[in-house]
Amino acid sequence: QSVLTQPPSASGTPGQRVTISCSGSSSNIGRNYVHWYQQLPGAAPKLLIFRNNQRPSGVPDRFSGSKSDTSASLAISGLRSEDEAAYHCAAWDDSLNGRVFGGGTKLTVL
Amino acid sequence: QVQLQQWGAGLLKPSETLSLTCAVYGGSFSAYYWSWIRQPPGKGLEWIGEINHSGGTNYNWSLKSRVTILIDTSKNQISLKLSSVMAADTAVYYCARARSFDYWGQGTLVTVSS
Repeated sequence: QSVLTQPPSASGTPGQRVTISCSGSSSNIGRNYVHWYQQLPGAAPKLLIFRNNQRPSGVPDRFSGSKSDTSASLAISGLRSEDEAAYHCAAWDDSLNGRVFGGGTKLTVL
Repeated sequence: QVQLQQWGAGLLKPSETLSLTCAVYGGSFSAYYWSWIRQPPGKGLEWIGEINHSGGTNYNWSLKSRVTILIDTSKNQISLKLSSVMAADTAVYYCARARSFDYWGQGTLVTVSS
């Protein structure tokens, strides 16, 4: 059971906009930054969004992040087939004094 | 270009000690926290713990009694030891840089089986 809650799956058609949610509590998302990772099949995760809404160099602006209270969201616009991957959220938890992850969301591009 | 290269034994028997090393090439080694993260087959990511350049550590409370993370600043390497492994420790293990995990190692599959 993950500390952060994500839907196990999501889907969309090419060109569509999809959002993936990440729900936490006051001890993690409520007080700390949220980061998002994209994991292609068979590969290591890759940082997609850091500090709630910042994109590392090279990440397309089709990817965006937001945070409100104890929840965060990842939005992908102009969906492409290569976006089919697992997406994970993470945050520091002050009560556990450690990093916590969501269970991951598998995105399917129909 | 920052690269994290990891290695270690991939097949262990129950009760043995898992030992992995991660070497960092490029970038500043002392400026960051360095973490170990694992992913059981078909499941999500689990943070194991982290270490800074001074050797200060934070561990996942659920693994704390069995985990040791060390740092060797002379070689730009970090290491992970997990004692008394069991089947539930079977996973791909990753090292990663910084608290945002901006760079990752390639992953090492560790299987625990009798």
